[in-house]
Amino acid sequence: GIQVEQSPPDLILQEGANSTLRCNFSDSVNNLQWFHQNPWGQLINLFYIPSGTKQNGRLSATTVATERYSLLYISSSQTTDSGVYFCAAQPYGQNFVFGPGTRLSVLP
Amino acid sequence: EAGVVQSPRYKIIEKKQPVAFWCNPISGHNTLYWYLQNLGQGPELLIRYENEEAVDDSQLPKDRFSAERLKGVDSTLKIQPAELGDSAVYLCASSLGLAGGISYNEQFFGPGTRLTVL
Repeated sequence: GIQVEQSPPDLILQEGANSTLRCNFSDSVNNLQWFHQNPWGQLINLFYIPSGTKQNGRLSATTVATERYSLLYISSSQTTDSGVYFCAAQPYGQNFVFGPGTRLSVLP
Repeated sequence: EAGVVQSPRYKIIEKKQPVAFWCNPISGHNTLYWYLQNLGQGPELLIRYENEEAVDDSQLPKDRFSAERLKGVDSTLKIQPAELGDSAVYLCASSLGLAGGISYNEQFFGPGTRLTVL
């Protein structure tokens, strides 16, 4: 089945810094989602982005399906951005597979 | 619009006891998923329903786990008997599914049930 990798595994930032999280997947996908898991364990939808670029406030995401990767950009990070960021990729006709996550800590 | 509802939020049981988790998906969502999340890892699919049909239960340990989605709305996941290794967070998610010939697969998650088996 599809393999989903995320990098870096851990990231520590000072408040106000920018960051880029990467998600690589080993097979063609027709769906991809980014989630933020907050310290209480809730998975919050960030982007549903099988291809192209989307922006939502300080966050944006780009998926290049032909090259099998997706990027999540966080600008002007805040302490509330701390948590674990997951990408989940879905090949056509199959289930979503989650990556191992990137644990982000934003320091005040 | 209400999100995915799960109960209980926390459950502590002794090994060999049974336990059940309940999920009510977003209204109108045809697809329902149960995931297992171990500490420090991403969620892993246990079972996927399309309406009341379990279309993929290949990852469900059927010797002790069972699930049902009567009437294609809410769902129950059961473990009997529970083992120490079942301690984890059990997540339910839903998506709209097939509508007008188009698949809408964006998943929305509930808050999860944290199970501790002693």
